Parts: sequence; C-alpha cells; structure tokens
Amino acid sequence: DTEVTQTPKHLVMGMTNKKSLKCEQHMGHRAMYWYKQKAKKPPELMFVYSYEKLSINESVPSRFSPECPNSSLLNLHLHALQPEDSALYLCASSSGGAADTQYFGPGTRLTVL
Amino acid sequence: GEDVEQSLFLSVREGDSSVINCTYTDSSSTYLYWYKQEPGAGLQLLTYIFSNMDMKQDQRLTVLLNKKDKHLSLRIADTQTGDSAIYFCAEARWRNAGNMLTFGGGTRLMVKP
Repeated sequence: DTEVTQTPKHLVMGMTNKKSLKCEQHMGHRAMYWYKQKAKKPPELMFVYSYEKLSINESVPSRFSPECPNSSLLNLHLHALQPEDSALYLCASSSGGAADTQYFGPGTRLTVL
Repeated sequence: GEDVEQSLFLSVREGDSSVINCTYTDSSSTYLYWYKQEPGAGLQLLTYIFSNMDMKQDQRLTVLLNKKDKHLSLRIADTQTGDSAIYFCAEARWRNAGNMLTFGGGTRLMVKP
C-alpha cells in the first residue's frame, strides 16, 4: 500500500478565515512533506518533518503553520491567506532511509477569495 | 532558473514510442525519478533509477541515464491515450532529513488517437 490521503479535496476560503489541510499515511514512513504547486509549474517544497520534528522550512510565510501530531498525520493550518496562495497543496511521505522515495497524495485544491 | 530542465511539450500518435528528456546539474544526485501528473491529480511515482545504473526497464517504461552528460530520458513504448499527462523528472539531493527533490518544469505529453 503506497497511499497518501489528503482532505479536503477542494477548499474555498476567505482571507479572514482559519482552515486546516490534513494528510495521512499508513506506510510507516518517518518523513512527511508539504508542497505548493501553482498551475503549469512543478511542486515547490514548503516544509519537511522527520520523525515528527520540523527539519526544513523553506522560508514559508507564517500564515502557513504545519503540525505533525504523530508519525502518520500531517496538518497545515491556514490563517489570513492571500489570493496568491491559491494553489494545489500536495502532501508526500517517504521512509527516511537511503532510498528515500517520496509518495504523493492527491492534493487539496485551495482557492482564496 | 531551474537546475533540472525538460522540454515543455511532446505530441505522439497512439501506438508510437514517446521519449521524454531531462537534464540535471548536480553530479552528486543519488536517485533520479520520473513522476506522472494527470489533470487535477497528485504526482504518481512512475519509476526511479539509482545513479550508478545506466538503464532500468519496467514494463513499457525504459529509463536511460547518461551520467557524463547529466542526461536522463524516459521512453514509453506503445503509448496510449491514458498516458497523456505531465511528466516531471526530479533529482534527489541529500539534505538534512533525507533526499530532497528538485523537479524539472514538466513535459506535457499529448497522445493523439
């Protein structure tokens, strides 16, 4: 089973709203990732968690706040977003070992009005 | 600019072979990956190759790696309309928690019936 699940599939929010994106994997992977993907562009890395600790933050604005409650779950809390934050948000996970292949979820399509 | 480069677009007829090319810059990359993305979906891992290999075959997919020229290609035999998608190559570089991916810009493959 190489499945990463993400909820919700679509999200529309206003600039004053607070919402959360969720990601889950049951592959026993120890690393989890958040990416942002704009239309016709490759994914851009936002955050990396390794063994439930934040190991990489790619200078992401504080209106995006990641959380890793346990080794299977990854959240992305959203607050006071801007319209330019509208994008596909992808979660991925990997074993964290030498052959560290990342498996992606289906993504959440976020629209900020 | 991107460190990993791909041509933007490829059009083939159903039943023909498709060859998608990629060039990368980091000679220390350990693994190189090919991902497929259909419209509105996440990234699906197609195949990967370890940097000490020249070729890897997996059913209709053949990956060729030329380390000297830092050139990677993906050949899809007997291309089908279901193969229409964007294909991303990615190189893995060790960083902090594990292998971080640097993606190419993606090649849109259109398969005509």
